[in-house]
Amino acid sequence: KQEVTQIPAALSVPEGENLVLNCSFTDSAIYNLQWFRQDPGKGLTSLLLIQSSQREQTSGRLNASLDKSSGRSTLYIAASQPGDSATYLCAVKAVWDSNYQLIWGAGTKLIIKP
Amino acid sequence: NAGVTQTPKFQVLKTGQSMTLQCAQDMNHNSMYWYRQDPGMGLRLIYYSASEGTTDKGEVPNGYNVSRLNKREFSLRLESAAPSQTSVYFCASSEARTLALSGNTIYFGEGSWLTVV
Repeated sequence: KQEVTQIPAALSVPEGENLVLNCSFTDSAIYNLQWFRQDPGKGLTSLLLIQSSQREQTSGRLNASLDKSSGRSTLYIAASQPGDSATYLCAVKAVWDSNYQLIWGAGTKLIIKP
Repeated sequence: NAGVTQTPKFQVLKTGQSMTLQCAQDMNHNSMYWYRQDPGMGLRLIYYSASEGTTDKGEVPNGYNVSRLNKREFSLRLESAAPSQTSVYFCASSEARTLALSGNTIYFGEGSWLTVV
């Protein structure tokens, strides 16, 4: 059964630092991997999607990498800002019960200190 | 630009009461989903609907029923609420009829906070 883990559960860094969030999964047979952002009291917003054949995707200050063989993805945030404070979740699309579904990590709560 | 709209946003229920969470999307999406989010755990799929008139169980369907009323609306019903159903519930939608198609983007509502006492 595919399991997705995000460590650490929480992270606090000073503004301006570059940082890396981690996501690991137990089965390399994934279709794609997505990173989402969740703000308190809000829904989730998709940030980046990496297909299984890709190694990385970039959007502005965000860069996500994927290493299927090691079961890992990282989300790199450059020059962090207080507005980046949120919970970041990763999800893999994989086969579950004969259908493709998104399987989610529990998230990393990120706090950027001014 | 409403996207996915869920109601109610907050609800407190007594054990054994019933209620329905409503969800509507205005993006003409085929697929709709209900997830629950609990502290320290990832989102877990309760039910999903790949198209109007069809529904399928997800990972944690027990204690819930759903209805895909039309293409826009997908409701989640708790027939006899239990404290274990205290959670944040998210409705979501995507264009594809199945997650197997495309690098689909999934859109979420803002969540419904449900407490069962």
